[in-house]
Amino acid sequence: SQELEQSPQSLIVQEGKNLTINCTSSKTLYGLYWYKQKYGEGLIFLMMLQKGGEEKSHEKITAKLDEKKQQSSLHITASQPSHAGIYLCGAEGLNDYKLSFGAGTTVTVRA
Amino acid sequence: DGGITQSPKYLFRKEGQNVTLSCEQNLNHDAMYWYRQDPGQGLRLIYYSQIVNDFQKGDIAEGYSVSREKKESFPLTVTSAQKNPTAFYLCASSVGPSLEDTEAFFGQGTRLTVV
Repeated sequence: SQELEQSPQSLIVQEGKNLTINCTSSKTLYGLYWYKQKYGEGLIFLMMLQKGGEEKSHEKITAKLDEKKQQSSLHITASQPSHAGIYLCGAEGLNDYKLSFGAGTTVTVRA
Repeated sequence: DGGITQSPKYLFRKEGQNVTLSCEQNLNHDAMYWYRQDPGQGLRLIYYSQIVNDFQKGDIAEGYSVSREKKESFPLTVTSAQKNPTAFYLCASSVGPSLEDTEAFFGQGTRLTVV
């Protein structure tokens, strides 16, 4: 199965500061997905990356996939309280269509 | 509006009982998934189905069963064989079988508590 490791497990940032979350795979990623979850709720889709070197941005969130397609990062610029939550990376394998997820990164934004 | 609906939102079960969690989607998606989430942990795949009348075990299928008789529905039964069923359960669907250019859509989850 697709093994995904996220780091850090949790982080606390001051409002207005930047933060970065990493997602590393043991295998080449076919597709890499970033989701956000508020505690006890479903997942909200943020971005999907498929090509090596691809970078996408939406508002203050930027996600990148490295050239080897084994590592992705999610960067939030000038964090706000609305950015607080759990961020999960997900991916499907090359030879199967199982969508697997990392353990998640809990983000706390302090005013 | 198209979407994916899980019910109930909260469910209590006595030890030794089977319980079924509902997941319905009207997105015309072929693929559906069930995940389990424990506090402070990510999502672990229980079962997934890429097409009607077919499903595969995920990483933690023991103690669970599913059926996929209709495209719109993918119910999950938590059996008495599941030793630690208290968790948050999430259902998802995607165009599938490969996500290609679209994301998976998630329900709002069912919180199951064994009392």
